[in-house]
Amino acid sequence: LAKTTQPISMDSYEGQEVNITCSHNNIATNDYITWYQQFPSQGPRFIIQGYKTKVTNEVASLFIPADRKSSTLSLPRVSLSDTAVYYCLVGYSSASKIIFGSGTRLSIRP
Amino acid sequence: EAQVTQNPRYLITVTGKKLTVTCSQNMNHEYMSWYRQDPGLGLRQIYYSMNVEVTDKGDVPEGYKVSRKEKRNFPLILESPSPNQTSLYFCASSPLTILGDTEAFFGQGTRLTVV
Repeated sequence: LAKTTQPISMDSYEGQEVNITCSHNNIATNDYITWYQQFPSQGPRFIIQGYKTKVTNEVASLFIPADRKSSTLSLPRVSLSDTAVYYCLVGYSSASKIIFGSGTRLSIRP
Repeated sequence: EAQVTQNPRYLITVTGKKLTVTCSQNMNHEYMSWYRQDPGLGLRQIYYSMNVEVTDKGDVPEGYKVSRKEKRNFPLILESPSPNQTSLYFCASSPLTILGDTEAFFGQGTRLTVV
């Protein structure tokens, strides 16, 4: 049974780099990992997506190690406005199934 | 403005009284889906639709129905709501299947309470 696990919460300070890890089993080489950000009273918002070792965009990086048993969302130099809940999403292409992690509540302090 | 619109945002209803939550998108997306969000469980997919008249079950479809008669609309129907369907519901749309290589756009959510 596929399962996706994230830490429940994390704390950090403004200006720091934050890494949030998502553990997932049985992920194939072409299965995508996607990360979403959610603020209170809003729907999730797309951050980054990929299936290869490293993907970077203007707001984040996504790292997937060779064993593909986890993936890491990296937020460089966080600010107070990055306080939110972050969800990883795994797309199991062979099963046509998606699974969201239970979310990581990130709190950024001044 | 590109958006996914859900209505209503908040709803309190009684057990057994049929209700519909509407979802509309203005981005001409093929794929639409519904999720429920419960504390500690993240988002779980209820139903999805790959295109007009094509719908399929997600992980938790029991007690729900959907229809996709038009590309832009994907209503969620609870024929006989029960208290265990009290939850926060989200509709989403994307150009391709949310499995991968696509960005999903979510609505603002509908908080449903069944008493």
